Amino acid sequence: DAMVIQNPRYQVTQFGKPVTLSCSQTLNHNVMYWYQQKSSQAPKLLFHYYDKDFNNEADTPDNFQSRRPNTSFCFLDIRSPGLGDAAMYLCATSRDLAGNEQYFGPGTRLTVT
Amino acid sequence: AQSVTQLDSHVSVSEGTPVLLRCNYSSSYSPSLFWYVQHPNKGLQLLLKYTSAATLVKGINGFEAEFKKSETSFHLTKPSAHMSDAAEYFCVVSAPQGGKLIFGQGTELSVKP
Repeated sequence: DAMVIQNPRYQVTQFGKPVTLSCSQTLNHNVMYWYQQKSSQAPKLLFHYYDKDFNNEADTPDNFQSRRPNTSFCFLDIRSPGLGDAAMYLCATSRDLAGNEQYFGPGTRLTVT
Repeated sequence: AQSVTQLDSHVSVSEGTPVLLRCNYSSSYSPSLFWYVQHPNKGLQLLLKYTSAATLVKGINGFEAEFKKSETSFHLTKPSAHMSDAAEYFCVVSAPQGGKLIFGQGTELSVKP
């Protein structure tokens, strides 16, 4: 089945130690998104790629970076995780922008010790 | 500007009774509206979508929602709750540009035996 896959499902990292989260999709969608979701809150968009064009949200900290080497894969890099970065990280895709539904992966739960 | 208000942060129903989750939206444009469901430690799953076709939208798992422009509402209903419906539900509007989703605050649905 076509889907959005995130690895790992659970990630533990140490304070200040760089970490990379992975997302892949078999939907062949143009757009890939990364969201941060903290407990009992709605997801918060960090950035998205439309094809190779990167779009950062204005309030996304510089500590968060992303790479999209090809259509199928997108990575979230946290350069120096702080305790406040512990959250669920959700990857999503959509065929195009504006009005298209987004398809979400199962998420990666990040713990920072 | 787009915004979404979910009128209840928590709804509790008994199994087999109707479900009503309320959502009001504000939009300068003809909106695309969605309901997503999120079970604990899972990603978001699309329940249904409104995109200016039929005002009554049927989704998965017996859910449906009615778009009422005059009331700027998009309430989610289900005739008979099942234990497996217990989850967090998000009402979402899509911004006309950039593919950004505007999330409501979420409604936690509890289903009692």
